Amino acid sequence: EVQLVESGGGLVQPGGSLRLSCAASGFTFSSHWMSWVRQAPGKGLEWVANINQDGSGKYFVDSVKGRFTISRDNSKNSVYLQMNSLRAEDTAVYYCARKYSGSDYWGQGTLVTVSS
Amino acid sequence: EIVLTQSPGTLSLSPGERATLSCRASQSLSSIYLAWYQQKPGQAPRLLIYGISSRATGIPDRFSGSGSGTDFTLTISRLEPEDFAVYFCHQYGNSQTFGQGTKVEI
Repeated sequence: EVQLVESGGGLVQPGGSLRLSCAASGFTFSSHWMSWVRQAPGKGLEWVANINQDGSGKYFVDSVKGRFTISRDNSKNSVYLQMNSLRAEDTAVYYCARKYSGSDYWGQGTLVTVSS
Repeated sequence: EIVLTQSPGTLSLSPGERATLSCRASQSLSSIYLAWYQQKPGQAPRLLIYGISSRATGIPDRFSGSGSGTDFTLTISRLEPEDFAVYFCHQYGNSQTFGQGTKVEI
């Protein structure tokens, strides 16, 4: 059974940093692109970043370029989102998703709240 | 950036009725990388349709997708009580975007 489990969310002050993790199981992790998608409270979905199978290809939405980085460790079946210079508008539930035929599997999400 | 615009914002229907949801892209999608998701409160999105018209594993055949170019449609042939939810379209090239969602309510 495919499982994606996010962790690392929490309350952070504006300008602060947070690192999200997503642990994958139930499939050959190193064969798949992975994505991070976020959803602000009561709002729609916003794609944040993608990473390809070996980590050599990374793509970001314009609003996070230069502030967020995405990485993966295929030996640990994990993908990460390093978020720096956080702003109030980054407040959202962050989902990890497997990028295959769209996004076919999603984690349960982790809440990031940016507030003083 | 490709902008996806969904309409209507809210669709008020009864169980057994047909639902037709629209997704319009700001430029033609040169590939078939268009998907639809269902989301219920407090849950992660669930993939329904990928590649414009292919149903994901386990999705009932009352859900169907169609379209090309800039205009795409999700059709639910006969609404079941569990189908009342929010639906998002999604284009998933290397850069991705989502529509703003259509709420299907009773």
